[in-house]
Amino acid sequence: DAGVIQSPRHEVTEMGQEVTLRCKPISGHNSLFWYRQTMMRGLELLIYFNNNVPIDDSGMPEDRFSAKMPNASFSTLKIQPSEPRDSAVYFCASSRQGAYTEAFFGQGTRLTVV
Amino acid sequence: EDQVTQSPEALRLQEGESSSLNCSYTVSGLRGLFWYRQDPGKGPEFLFTLYSAGEEKEKERLKATLTKKESFLHITAPKPEDSATYLCAVPPTGGSYIPTFGRGTSLIVHP
Repeated sequence: DAGVIQSPRHEVTEMGQEVTLRCKPISGHNSLFWYRQTMMRGLELLIYFNNNVPIDDSGMPEDRFSAKMPNASFSTLKIQPSEPRDSAVYFCASSRQGAYTEAFFGQGTRLTVV
Repeated sequence: EDQVTQSPEALRLQEGESSSLNCSYTVSGLRGLFWYRQDPGKGPEFLFTLYSAGEEKEKERLKATLTKKESFLHITAPKPEDSATYLCAVPPTGGSYIPTFGRGTSLIVHP
């Protein structure tokens, strides 16, 4: 089992540019989460998908953020336009059954917006 | 609103010096508690799930326990490779889908 796979591992972009983060969850997991981690705010849930359907996106900061899950093995998180305050580490995680079972996290994407 | 508080924020130990990390929670109907380990530059790694007060789980030098108000992660005779940030989290309650994570305890074990 390769675990949750995220790409890219690092992304440096200029303010105003579009950024797309990618995630492949563990096969057989029906739930996928996007988190953001910063020193100031810790780990924040951005959006939760269940069976490829967005269930809770209340953590998405604003309309500049969007997420999709076109199939069970792929999800994207897009930021357009990016701003310096979006700089953080973004994690994708998957689980067997929502947030009631343990989550398995990817290695994260460190995003720096200059 | 569910709350999870971890203490201490940071802990420095000498190799072999046993200690405990605390995770206190306020939730309306606990449905479990998770412990994770996070190494620098990596995502959190699942350690344990505890479901009911009195439950204990062990893995190598780590033992997690749960009461009705808090959980402890006991580290016995730690080694430098146990250095990491340890996070606890509780599943959502009520109509929420969002788990609540603590801010973590940063553990450094000196050789």
